[in-house]
Amino acid sequence: GDSVTQMEGPVTLSEEAFLTINCTYTATGYPSLFWYVQYPGEGLQLLLKATKADDKGSNKGFEATYRKETTSFHLEKGSVQVSDSAVYFCALSKTSYDKVIFGPGTSLSVIP
Amino acid sequence: DTGVSQDPRHKITKRGQNVTFRCDPISEHNRLYWYRQTLGQGPEFLTYFQNEAQLEKSRLLSDRFSAERPKGSFSTLEIQRTEQGDSAMYLCASRSRQGEEKLFFGSGTQLSVL
Repeated sequence: GDSVTQMEGPVTLSEEAFLTINCTYTATGYPSLFWYVQYPGEGLQLLLKATKADDKGSNKGFEATYRKETTSFHLEKGSVQVSDSAVYFCALSKTSYDKVIFGPGTSLSVIP
Repeated sequence: DTGVSQDPRHKITKRGQNVTFRCDPISEHNRLYWYRQTLGQGPEFLTYFQNEAQLEKSRLLSDRFSAERPKGSFSTLEIQRTEQGDSAMYLCASRSRQGEEKLFFGSGTQLSVL
């Protein structure tokens, strides 16, 4: 069945460091890909998305590019801040009417 | 837009008891989803509705679990004869009818089965 795999955490970085969180997926067809974020004490919220191959999603300085050839959607940010500390979930959905399948999440801690 | 609302926020129950959770989606959203999340894991899909029709149920959803959305607005998730393994955060999410792909999540109901 369809699934999402993410790099294991926790990840700890110093402020202003470069961030990469790897995500790969298994799915038939051309799913839409997402990154959701869960800040401490808050609900899940969409960070960014890409709906077709080679699309780049971006938001709040984060970026991810939909790579069909490697079935990947890695999350990157050039300079992390303490406020980026959260759990990040990679996810996919076959259509806008279908369920969203989530990866296990990667916890990020950014220290001053 | 008041967001997705879930009630209660926390529920503590004894093994063998029945529990029911409620979800009120964003008013114009016709699709509603239930997920379960345990510590350190991503949300696991349980079931989803389009209006009042339940379109898909996960194999994770045993016969003890039932969900309804009788008028296509709020939804309830009932767990009968709770077990300790049912302890988790139960999340509700909704999506609009215009083909918007973004899920809007509620804050969840934390269930503890003693």
